[in-house]
Amino acid sequence: ETGVTQSPTHLIKTRGQQVTLRCSSQSGHNTVSWYQQALGQGPQFIFQYYREEENGRGNFPPRFSGLQFPNYSSELNVNALELDDSALYLCASSQGTGGIDTQYFGPGTRLTVL
Amino acid sequence: DQQVKQNSPSLSVQEGRISILNCDYTNSMFDYFLWYKKYPAEGPTFLISISSIKDKNEDGRFTVFLNKSAKHLSLHIVPSQPGDSAVYFCAASVDRGSTLGRLYFGRGTQLTVWP
Repeated sequence: ETGVTQSPTHLIKTRGQQVTLRCSSQSGHNTVSWYQQALGQGPQFIFQYYREEENGRGNFPPRFSGLQFPNYSSELNVNALELDDSALYLCASSQGTGGIDTQYFGPGTRLTVL
Repeated sequence: DQQVKQNSPSLSVQEGRISILNCDYTNSMFDYFLWYKKYPAEGPTFLISISSIKDKNEDGRFTVFLNKSAKHLSLHIVPSQPGDSAVYFCAASVDRGSTLGRLYFGRGTQLTVWP
């Protein structure tokens, strides 16, 4: 059983660019949640995908968008990058019928916007 | 607005002693609470949870206490071990612990356990 993986590990972008982050969910999981963790802060909920549909969204602008594929892997896309988008982006996968304590986090993608 | 607050950014404890990490919340709709541990370069890992209908939950060396009237919870680690050194996040949910919901996290407390 493989865990949650994220790619890339690190990346550097400049302001105004676009970025795509990827998350492979754990085997058997159909739900993926994305969180942004800025420096010195706790993770903040961006959105969740359940069976390829968005199932809830946090207080993030529309330039943050996502996608979930039939194999339940997921992408987070951020357009028109701003300096404040620099953060660790975490994804978490779970089985939709389970408890939230069965949600597993990936190691994250560190995004730096210059 | 931070609905889950961890007001101590760091805590240093000697090995074998008790570690007490505190967390306060403002949203009375929270009905499920969790603690996560995070090592550098890894994602948060679930440690222990408690439902709002309970006031205590214990799992080995880890115990979580919930005081609903004070909107306060705490994590006790006894005895503390050097391997416990990590960032601890308090988190809350309004979805009765369903995975189809979001977590609200505090800013975390860096625990350092020294020999």
